[in-house]
Amino acid sequence: AQSVTQLGSHVSVSEGALVLLRCNYSSSVPPYLFWYVQYPNQGLQLLLKYTTGATLVKGINGFEAEFKKSETSFHLTKPSAHMSDAAEYFCAVTGGISSGSARQLTFGSGTQLTVLP
Amino acid sequence: GAVVSQHPSRVICKSGTSVKIECRSLDFQATTMFWYRQFPKQSLMLMATSNEGSKATYEQGVEKDKFLINHASLTLSTLTVTSAHPEDSSFYICSARQAGVMEQYFGPGTRLTVT
Repeated sequence: AQSVTQLGSHVSVSEGALVLLRCNYSSSVPPYLFWYVQYPNQGLQLLLKYTTGATLVKGINGFEAEFKKSETSFHLTKPSAHMSDAAEYFCAVTGGISSGSARQLTFGSGTQLTVLP
Repeated sequence: GAVVSQHPSRVICKSGTSVKIECRSLDFQATTMFWYRQFPKQSLMLMATSNEGSKATYEQGVEKDKFLINHASLTLSTLTVTSAHPEDSSFYICSARQAGVMEQYFGPGTRLTVT
């Protein structure tokens, strides 16, 4: 069984400020973790992913996330917010390649990021 | 690479009619395709998983006779909403995955409005 909890359905930051979007997961198998961004009326775009290896992963548009097994967290950060970062962000978890049904993606409820001028 | 398209992007249909949504992987072979539904301001909910050449696996609570899924080729899956009702109005998103690859590639979504 897998689940994802995103703390804060809405986050507002000023342009240039640090962005921190929180994600905690539970998984019965070693997880693969993803962050996606969704702009209005569009599909999902992959920002970054963790599968194995280095726990700090860097993605597109200056975003990065750190996998912390002890905290079961995968928080998304960006040092300096840009107006174009305003969007909905989804954290997702799946099991590894051999984990059968756990390979399905389970999404968090999403966090709407607002960037204030 | 790894582009997934959906057609149509928006569709309006009358209650009681059926509507078909296509999901295509443009530059790779998708052994598995997924169909999600997203209500406004909410997350994606998996409806069904389809593997090429076999019957789709539906999630609990999803009516398989209402949401017909066909995955007849490695590049095309279709979702047909039969006898649509206003409560079926939603944003439908597909994703596709290659064999041996964990990542899913998402389509741009289809906005269905049933009047």
